[in-house]
Amino acid sequence: DIKMTQSPSTLSASVGDRVTITCRASQSVSSWLAWYQQKPGKAPKLLIYQASNLESGVPSRFSGSGSGTEFTLTISSLQPDDFATYYCQQYNSYSPYTFGQGTKLEIK
Amino acid sequence: EVQLEESGGGLVKPGGSLRLSCTASESTFNTYTFTWVRQAPGKGLEWISSMTSNSQYIKYADSVKGRFTISRDNAKSSLYLQMNSLRVEDTALYYCARDSRRGFDLWGRGTLVTVSA
Repeated sequence: DIKMTQSPSTLSASVGDRVTITCRASQSVSSWLAWYQQKPGKAPKLLIYQASNLESGVPSRFSGSGSGTEFTLTISSLQPDDFATYYCQQYNSYSPYTFGQGTKLEIK
Repeated sequence: EVQLEESGGGLVKPGGSLRLSCTASESTFNTYTFTWVRQAPGKGLEWISSMTSNSQYIKYADSVKGRFTISRDNAKSSLYLQMNSLRVEDTALYYCARDSRRGFDLWGRGTLVTVSA
């Protein structure tokens, strides 16, 4: 199975900061990579699909990039609502889907 | 607004069985792949099984293969997960999600499964 590794596991930042989360795959997933945001007690929410496409309704301060085995999620200017846990997920059709272990974004 | 609602969770002893259900409030249920994802208390997300719209293609995570069975009834807009030989480590919140090939774009609120003696 394809292993997804996120870094860092925890990130402390302030409102207005630019932050980047990295996700690495153990083998190529092409661009079949999604990013989710999860807040406590809530279901995950799709933010980015196919590595760089913004899901409808998601603020433009979120962006994704990468292909193959290395991907990034960037939040250009952190807002109070953005403090949450973020997960990457590969969804290559020919493999079992797998999530990264998560990155908790905390207020500094 | 399209919604997914899971049910069927509860407390079960190790070795026991449960059947989870997920009902969609949409007429397009039969055009999508649907999936089950779980989250153990305080832990991350774990994909466990997916089934295509016509039930032809199914896949499972190794952690549940041979114990869990996914199925669906398009006429009832429902997805199911039969869980047998349950283990303590299967304790989790189980989510149903729609796979739009953009990733999982619609999620239910989850149903809690607790496996404990």
